[in-house]
Amino acid sequence: DAKTTQPNSMESNEEEPVHLPCNHSTISGTDYIHWYRQLPSQGPEYVIHGLTSNVNNRMASLAIAEDRKSSTLILHRATLRDAAVYYCILRRGWGSQGNLIFGKGTKLSVKP
Amino acid sequence: EAQVTQNPRYLITVTGKKLTVTCSQNMNHEYMSWYRQDPGLGLRQIYYSMNVEVTDKGDVPEGYKVSRKEKRNFPLILESPSPNQTSLYFCASSLRQGVSTDTQYFGPGTRLTVL
Repeated sequence: DAKTTQPNSMESNEEEPVHLPCNHSTISGTDYIHWYRQLPSQGPEYVIHGLTSNVNNRMASLAIAEDRKSSTLILHRATLRDAAVYYCILRRGWGSQGNLIFGKGTKLSVKP
Repeated sequence: EAQVTQNPRYLITVTGKKLTVTCSQNMNHEYMSWYRQDPGLGLRQIYYSMNVEVTDKGDVPEGYKVSRKEKRNFPLILESPSPNQTSLYFCASSLRQGVSTDTQYFGPGTRLTVL
């Protein structure tokens, strides 16, 4: 399985942008890049996903490098509620390869 | 409201006493899955089901059983629980399996302690 590498932890100030990096140098052409996050005492929740182009939704933006070997999740204005563990996951496009394989993720702390 | 529900949310039991954790989704999803989460080990998949009567092992299936008799329900069965199955369990579902663009929806979790 293609693996991802994320920093163990990051800190941010409230109302400032946050850039969460993810390296995936062994990504294949059919791997989608997914981001999930897990708030304290809750189950993981979907944030965003993309293949090649940058993506935006109401929660975040996903910037994907041209060679696809890395990506960055961007929270435009961090709030205290964004404090969570963020997981970068590669999902392949068929069969059981579509299972989510969680790594250790990045624990984001947001300071008021 | 679209959701995945789990019951019970908290359970303390003793070694060897059979238990079932229920999972139900109201989104007509084909795919359902069970994970356990342990400190330092993260989330690991136990079993998954691509549709009714179709189940398969995940990464850590030992000591667990599942069944998928109806589309909405995917119970996790521990026939003889042991202390190493003390963990936080999550159920998840998605519309289809094998489609890497699908979103997975997670339940609120079941915290199980086996004494």
